[in-house]
Amino acid sequence: DARVTQTPRHKVTEMGQEVTMRCQPILGHNTVFWYRQTMMQGLELLAYFRNRAPLDDSGMPKDRFSAEMPDATLATLKIQPSEPRDSAVYFCASGLVGSTDTQYFGPGTRLTVL
Amino acid sequence: KQEVTQIPAALSVPEGENLVLNCSFTDSAIYNLQWFRQDPGKGLTSLLLIQSSQREQTSGRLNASLDKSSGRSTLYIAASQPGDSATYLCAPWDSGNTGKLIFGQGTTLQVKP
Repeated sequence: DARVTQTPRHKVTEMGQEVTMRCQPILGHNTVFWYRQTMMQGLELLAYFRNRAPLDDSGMPKDRFSAEMPDATLATLKIQPSEPRDSAVYFCASGLVGSTDTQYFGPGTRLTVL
Repeated sequence: KQEVTQIPAALSVPEGENLVLNCSFTDSAIYNLQWFRQDPGKGLTSLLLIQSSQREQTSGRLNASLDKSSGRSTLYIAASQPGDSATYLCAPWDSGNTGKLIFGQGTTLQVKP
């Protein structure tokens, strides 16, 4: 049963620290998305990749967030320096865009910045 | 900019009722539309994907319809059960078939035994 995995599942850190979240998409999927969920804003798209190339990161605060896909099995989202307002659940999703298939979401990383 | 509204925001019903969740979107030039379920503290599970050429999809007790011209989708749940209690999210795909999803705030459903 293929699924998207994310690590860590929970992260508590202090303001100013670097945070790295990792995602392993489903093998064969060509598109990876990063979303953020908060009570106030709901689910927002931060960035996405197609065939490992970044296509859109307009949803990310560029000064502190960065997203990469070093290989087809790993996507990373980094926050440096972290701030309390970054506290949220970060979801990774993968899909085979161009087909009729759905997107599959990972379980999320719950980030708390103190 | 696409905006998605889901009504009602919350719903509490007794077990066995049939119910309808509503979703409206401002830009009708969408590609597909997906309905997701989210349990508390969990990720999202896709329930139904309606392709742009389709008007509805069915899976078990769930039926979703799509009217692109009016910017509306509905999720019908038949014979609701306590296990259906969750938040239901509507997410149109953007028109370019990039797979980008724009989410509504969701409808939180509670089904009482």
